[in-house]
Amino acid sequence: NAGVTQTPKFQVLKTGQSMTLQCAQDMNHEYMSWYRQDPGMGLRLIHYSVGAGITDQGEVPNGYNVSRSTTEDFPLRLLSAAPSQTSVYFCASKGSTTRTEAFFGQGTRLTVV
Amino acid sequence: TQLLEQSPQFLSIQEGENLTVYCNSSSVFSSLQWYRQEPGEGPVLLVTVVTGGEVKKLKRLTFQFGDARKDSSLHITAAQPGDTGLYLCAGRHNAGNMLTFGGGTRLMVKP
Repeated sequence: NAGVTQTPKFQVLKTGQSMTLQCAQDMNHEYMSWYRQDPGMGLRLIHYSVGAGITDQGEVPNGYNVSRSTTEDFPLRLLSAAPSQTSVYFCASKGSTTRTEAFFGQGTRLTVV
Repeated sequence: TQLLEQSPQFLSIQEGENLTVYCNSSSVFSSLQWYRQEPGEGPVLLVTVVTGGEVKKLKRLTFQFGDARKDSSLHITAAQPGDTGLYLCAGRHNAGNMLTFGGGTRLMVKP
């Protein structure tokens, strides 16, 4: 059981480039979300999805797009990378009930130069 | 401005000492979770507290949810080097199922 799988683990982009961070879960979870983690800031929610075909914005959505065509996959797209998007990105999935824990991927460390 | 404020941000102590980490908010949460994160890994759930005043123990770790469900604390007794890591609190509002995270407390326990 792989849980939540994120790829790539590391990425360096030039300013203005675009890329997609992949996230897949095999737990049949309804809820999936993307966070970015910066020093001293904890995890901030970028976008989330409560099921296939449904997405919504989190706390810091600007510069990112998401889609949820299947239950398993929730890719995060950077449209035109900026140095301010240098961060560690975590994908998480969660079951539908209140007390279930969020399972996190191992993260993608992104550097924009 | 974060909805959940954790203190202290950094804590360096000797093995065997006790410590308390705080998670405070002006908002009411329907539940609150504590996670521990090690370098290069995603956060892993330690506990979920739901009822105001609730106390949960996990070996040497004691978690408390405030009576008004606006704050929480994590107390570690006789800390060990294996406790070293980033401790994150995360709250859930009634309006949705998404978690709001605090800024984290980075704990280092020296042998």
